[in-house]
This record gives sequence, C-alpha cells and structure tokens, in this order.
Amino acid sequence: DADVTQTPRNRITKTGKRIMLECSQTKGHDRMYWYRQDPGLGLRLIYYSFDVKDINKGEISDGYSVSRQAQAKFSLSLESAIPNQTALYFCATSDGGTQPQHFGDGTRLSIL
Amino acid sequence: AQSVTQPDIHITVSEGASLELRCNYSYGATPYLFWYVQSPGQGLQLLLKYFSGDTLVQGIKGFEAEFKRSQSSFNLRKPSVHWSDAAEYFCAVGAYNTDKLIFGTGTRLQVFP
Repeated sequence: DADVTQTPRNRITKTGKRIMLECSQTKGHDRMYWYRQDPGLGLRLIYYSFDVKDINKGEISDGYSVSRQAQAKFSLSLESAIPNQTALYFCATSDGGTQPQHFGDGTRLSIL
Repeated sequence: AQSVTQPDIHITVSEGASLELRCNYSYGATPYLFWYVQSPGQGLQLLLKYFSGDTLVQGIKGFEAEFKRSQSSFNLRKPSVHWSDAAEYFCAVGAYNTDKLIFGTGTRLQVFP
C-alpha cells in the first residue's frame, strides 16, 4: 500500500459544486501539505498543517479550505468550484526540518 | 524571500548522452535543496537532497547534484541517460525555520533512442 494515498485519483465536476479531496498517510508524519500543479507553474502551496490543531495558509489559499481530521488525514475542499481550479492536486507529508516531503500520486481535477 | 529558477523548460537528449539540468536558488542563508522526478501519472519521487557537508551528493537512479554556494546553484547531472529517465524534474529549496519548500517550475526531459 502507498504511504500517502489520495482519493479520488480523477474527478470531473461542474462549476459551483462542492468538492472534497482526501489524503491519508501511514508514515506517521506530523506535517502535511496540499499543492496544486499547473503546467509551467510548478507546484504551489495551498495549505499546510504541522499538527491537528495547526493549519496555515499557503501562497494560493483563496477558494480552498482544509480539515485535519487526525494526524493521518488531511482533506482539501473547494466550496464552490470554478474552472480555473482545474489542476493536478498533490498531498505531501514530512517529518519536518531538513527531511524531504513524500508525495501522493495526485488527484486530477477538472471543473467544467 | 526564497525562490527557485529552472531556466530550461524542455530538454531533449539522446539515450546514452550526458545530462545536466540547471537549478538556481535565492535564499539569504544556507538552504536545503532537493531534486524530485515526476513520471507521467505519478507523484513526485525524491532523487536526492543536500543540507550540509559534501557539496556533491549522490542520489537514486545514477543521478548526482553539486551545490555551488558561489553560484547559488544546485545542478542535477547524469553521465548516461536512459530512455526511462524521460520525465519532469523539479528542484526545490527549503528554509530551516519554515518546514516549507519552494519549487521551481520544472524541466521536462525527453530522451530519443
């Protein structure tokens, strides 16, 4: 089983719908992150969490919200999806400090 | 503020040729640096990291990278590319006090037989 699991892997939905992307991890890491990837822009940080009670905005948090339900679970919500939120979304975890981040396989989200 | 620049959007090499992917960073102190690879339909896989010590670091799949403080660079190299190396490569820089990474925009590598 993957250490960082994202569900769903693909989702197509309509403008205005509420969407939730889920991430769970078995690595035991405290730090969890949500990124979006767009062609030519690399990965941009949406939200991050250093523990269950610590949630922080990243560089592009507008239009998104998150919930850290447990150490192992970190979900990303789009309250009212819009087409320019069409992207590839990644969840990552880390032990902090100089340790690398570990990524899930991504969720490809298309908003029509 | 931290930033990362990958000047090459797309690189094409022949199988067996050597490879160098460029990465320049901006950071006021000693950063820690990573290279990741992304194959189609997959997440990012760590190739190697640098945070102190020997400035030439070895990674997986035969890759290496050299940290050059004077040039603010952390270029990725491989002496002989294989067709399976075709992927997108991302450089990332982290700061010791933030536990966050800043990613470059990526370099897409195409390998011709």
